[in-house]
Amino acid sequence: LAKTTQPISMDSYEGQEVNITCSHNNIATNDYITWYQQFPSQGPRFIIQGYKTKVTNEVASLFIPADRKSSTLSLPRVSLSDTAVYYCLVGVYSGSARQLTFGSGTQLTVLP
Amino acid sequence: ETGVTQTPRHLVMGMTNKKSLKCEQHLGHNAMYWYKQSAKKPLELMFVYNFKEQTENNSVPSRFSPECPNSSHLFLHLHTLQPEDSALYLCASSLQGDRGRNEQYFGPGTRLTVT
Repeated sequence: LAKTTQPISMDSYEGQEVNITCSHNNIATNDYITWYQQFPSQGPRFIIQGYKTKVTNEVASLFIPADRKSSTLSLPRVSLSDTAVYYCLVGVYSGSARQLTFGSGTQLTVLP
Repeated sequence: ETGVTQTPRHLVMGMTNKKSLKCEQHLGHNAMYWYKQSAKKPLELMFVYNFKEQTENNSVPSRFSPECPNSSHLFLHLHTLQPEDSALYLCASSLQGDRGRNEQYFGPGTRLTVT
């Protein structure tokens, strides 16, 4: 059974760097890895996307090892407003079929 | 605002009712998606439409019936639902998605309660 797994929750303090890892053993060839942020009562919002190695934008970095079986979202210097649920989204093989699959989500709580 | 709107925001319906959820995107995208988000499960992709054609149906029960009359509108018709169908239903859109490359923009969702 194809799975995309993440830690259920993480706590951090303001100003710290936070790294959230997603495991996707059966990632589909040529599929990109995308991360989303979701606040309560809102739809998910795009953070960053990558295919391999490292991608950086104004809010986050994404690290992808050569085998692409996992990815790590890095949030530099988090603030209280970064408290949210973070999801990875990848295409994974389930049998011979490719399925676009969200991870289970990681609840990040940033403490003062 | 993301440019994707959903109505209604909240819906309570009985198991014998028929209702419809509506999604509209103002972004010029050509792919639209329906997701289900339950309290104890990750986001589940239900349907994908590319250029008004359904390209994915992830084993969704027939009591959920999607309709995409054009690239800007997406409906989810509901009938004879079960209490376990209570969830947040999210609509998203993107440029034509291939290999998950394109950023999806999500609406705020419809909170559905089946009594």
